[in-house]
Amino acid sequence: GAGVSQSPRYKVAKRGQDVALRCDPISGHVSLFWYQQALGQGPEFLTYFQNEAQLDKSGLPSDRFFAERPEGSVSTLKIQRTQQEDSAVYLCASSLRLSGTSGNEQFFGPGTRLTVL
Amino acid sequence: EDQVTQSPEALRLQEGESSSLNCSYTVSGLRGLFWYRQDPGKGPEFLFTLYSAGEEKEKERLKATLTKKESFLHITAPKPEDSATYLCAVRTGGYNKLIFGAGTRLAVHP
Repeated sequence: GAGVSQSPRYKVAKRGQDVALRCDPISGHVSLFWYQQALGQGPEFLTYFQNEAQLDKSGLPSDRFFAERPEGSVSTLKIQRTQQEDSAVYLCASSLRLSGTSGNEQFFGPGTRLTVL
Repeated sequence: EDQVTQSPEALRLQEGESSSLNCSYTVSGLRGLFWYRQDPGKGPEFLFTLYSAGEEKEKERLKATLTKKESFLHITAPKPEDSATYLCAVRTGGYNKLIFGAGTRLAVHP
């Protein structure tokens, strides 16, 4: 069965360039999450969607970061005017639902490794 | 502030040498504690969810337990293929995001 997929897997950008990272969640999953993982650290929350609604964007580090999920399926994380400190692995995760005690496990994609030179 | 601390940072075991990884948490209303395994260059792979103190779950050589302040991931008779980073995360009341610890890097040598 298809899991969460992300593209590109690797992205090298020059400082100041804009980048767009794509996430295809598991089919039928309502919730979609973006995390940022620095080397040697655990993932840190950026934002999440329930269907097409962005319900929490408290983890986005600056207004250069923007995420969307216009049709409630595929999501794009966009970073404008990239800086060296944006270098990290960006992980996408999806879950079937948000509440309750089953079906809210988050399943992660392989990540996109962004390097800003 | 919600916080998750994992120990040790790194652990080296001989094949067959059982041990435990610790995850301590300070949160305002636990809505689930999650264990993930992460291999180099890959995303975290879901292992277990625990919801209440006293709960235990097992999968092959792994067993996860939960108390009111911490969780343990017990590894029985590990094999080299168990080598990975093990991440602990919590979901707290009113929020759906996961708060992760920094992970424990486990190396199992033949």
